[in-house]
Formats: sequence, C-alpha cells, structure tokens
Amino acid sequence: AQSVTQLDSQVPVFEEAPVELRCNYSSSVSVYLFWYVQYPNQGLQLLLKYLSGSTLVKGINGFEAEFNKSQTSFHLRKPSVHISDTAEYFCAVSEPNSGYALNFGKGTSLLVTP
Amino acid sequence: KAGVTQTPRYLIKTRGQQVTLSCSPISGHRSVSWYQQTPGQGLQFLFEYFSETQRNKGNFPGRFSGRQFSNSRSEMNVSTLELGDSALYLCASSNRDGFYEQYFGPGTRLTVT
Repeated sequence: AQSVTQLDSQVPVFEEAPVELRCNYSSSVSVYLFWYVQYPNQGLQLLLKYLSGSTLVKGINGFEAEFNKSQTSFHLRKPSVHISDTAEYFCAVSEPNSGYALNFGKGTSLLVTP
Repeated sequence: KAGVTQTPRYLIKTRGQQVTLSCSPISGHRSVSWYQQTPGQGLQFLFEYFSETQRNKGNFPGRFSGRQFSNSRSEMNVSTLELGDSALYLCASSNRDGFYEQYFGPGTRLTVT
C-alpha cells in the first residue's frame, strides 16, 4: 500500500527567501504525484502534478517540483516566497491499484513573515 | 466555468442524527469523490462515484454512504452521527475516466455536538 510522508509539519520562512517543502512516498508501482494548497477556510487548489515525462514540473504561483524516482521523493520549491503563500500544503499520491483515489500526506504549514 | 460547489457550507448537528451533504461538480465532469479532513487523521478518501455508480470506496464504516444522480450531482449521507464525525467534508470532481486530476470544492464544515 502506498503512503505519503511530509517531513516537515511547519516551515517558517522570511518573505523573498527560497523554500522547499519535502515529500516522500512509498509505492510498489508507478504513481501519479500532486501538490495541493489550502488557504484558511477554503478547499484544495492544485498547484502542480507529475504524471510522466520530465521530472521537473512547473505549477502555478511560481512553484515547481522535482520527481526523483530513486529517492521516491517529490519536493516542492519556490525561489522567492510572498506573504500570500502562507497556507497549508499537501502532497498526494494516486495509483491504479487504489482506483486513483488521492492519498494525502499530513500537510506542511508554510508561514511567511516579513 | 463555475467551480465545484458544496452545500451547505456549515452545519451543526447533534449526536445520533443524520446529515446529507450535497456537491455539484464542474459542468461536464462525471466523476465525484468525497474526502474527510480532520486535524487528527488529515485528509482521507471516502468514496468515488462515476456515472451514478460507486467505483471506489475508502475505509469508512457503513454509516457513511453516497449517491450520484444522472446530472452528476452527488450527495453523501452520514447516519447516526458521532462526535468524531466532526470534520471538513470535501468534494472533488474530474472529467476523465481512468486517471484524472481532481478539482475540489470549498467543503462543508460539519460540527457534531
């Protein structure tokens, strides 16, 4: 069975600094990988996804992620964060064996301060 | 296109009651999935409906059920509510069979007292 680990529950960072949110997964088959963002009192918004092809995936709001199959990781990065990036970020995995249901990590709370 | 809509947005129920939540997917989307979000357990998959049929189900008790109508709108029902059912219930829709990316609604916040 697949599992998703987000290694940091909270990440504080100063505005305009770079940030990396880490995600590792375990699965015995090929998977699809996603990052979602959740702002307070809102649903989830898709930031980016990896289905196949290039391992570097670019998403919305300047975010990007790199799929590393050997390390089973899918870390999210942004070179310069803004106050408005403060939110909860979720890494998710889906695979054919689970009917493509999304299996989420516990989330990383990104707090951007001036 | 309008996004996924969920009604109601907030709900307060008493233990032992039942509740029905509604989800309208993005126009043209035929798949609807439901997720439960709690501080303790995080985001967990409840079930997925495609063309009025339950196609996939998570590990939740039978008190949790759902259905999908011919217009793809979906409802989920929780019977005999327990305090632990207090959560944000998220609905997501998708427009493709097989693999798909899911678009989430704003959720329904259920509080059980």
